[in-house]
Amino acid sequence: DAGVIQSPRHEVTEMGQEVTLRCKPISGHNSLFWYRQTMMRGLELLIYFNNNVPIDDSGMPEDRFSAKMPNASFSTLKIQPSEPRDSAVYFCASSEPRQTATEAFFGQGTRLTVV
Amino acid sequence: AQKVTQAQTEISVVEKEDVTLDCVYETRDTTYYLFWYKQPPSGELVFLIRRNSFDEQNEISGRYSWNFQKSTSSFNFTITASQVVDSAVYFCALNSWGKFQFGAGTQVVVTP
Repeated sequence: DAGVIQSPRHEVTEMGQEVTLRCKPISGHNSLFWYRQTMMRGLELLIYFNNNVPIDDSGMPEDRFSAKMPNASFSTLKIQPSEPRDSAVYFCASSEPRQTATEAFFGQGTRLTVV
Repeated sequence: AQKVTQAQTEISVVEKEDVTLDCVYETRDTTYYLFWYKQPPSGELVFLIRRNSFDEQNEISGRYSWNFQKSTSSFNFTITASQVVDSAVYFCALNSWGKFQFGAGTQVVVTP
């Protein structure tokens, strides 16, 4: 398996533009997580899905952020409109069902810069 | 609510010294899982160890060891005989009800 795949690896956009980050979880994993990492706030859990259903989106900072998981093999995190304070590294991770208690496998991350 | 606290922001040691990283967690769940991850300067997050809430046996794996004490909600991690390649940010994480929550991380700097 290729692991969790995120795209793009780097994104530079202007303030006000829409940004879409993409994630392909490991096949067979039914939990998917989106995290944001900044120097100031560390690694924040934004939202997580179980069986394609959003379970907890309490970490989503505001309405400008939205996430979808239309099927088991794809998820998006969208920011519209983007702001400079959204600049961060965004990680996607996936894991097997809770009962097996495996670790979360992380993608390489998307480094977002909003200018 | 669940929470993971890593009180140490940064630890600096000289090579071959031992390093112990502290982690305190909060959860109302009776079944949960604890993890340590490493994030080297290259940025990827690497899984190191896992422990479930029913198993308080402490173990050693190579130069890594961990001390899980349910009574104090602590899950400390030790690197024995540190090496320069151990320089990284180390994260403690809690999986409770399927939600992976990470601590703020501890920066470990190992100098030759």
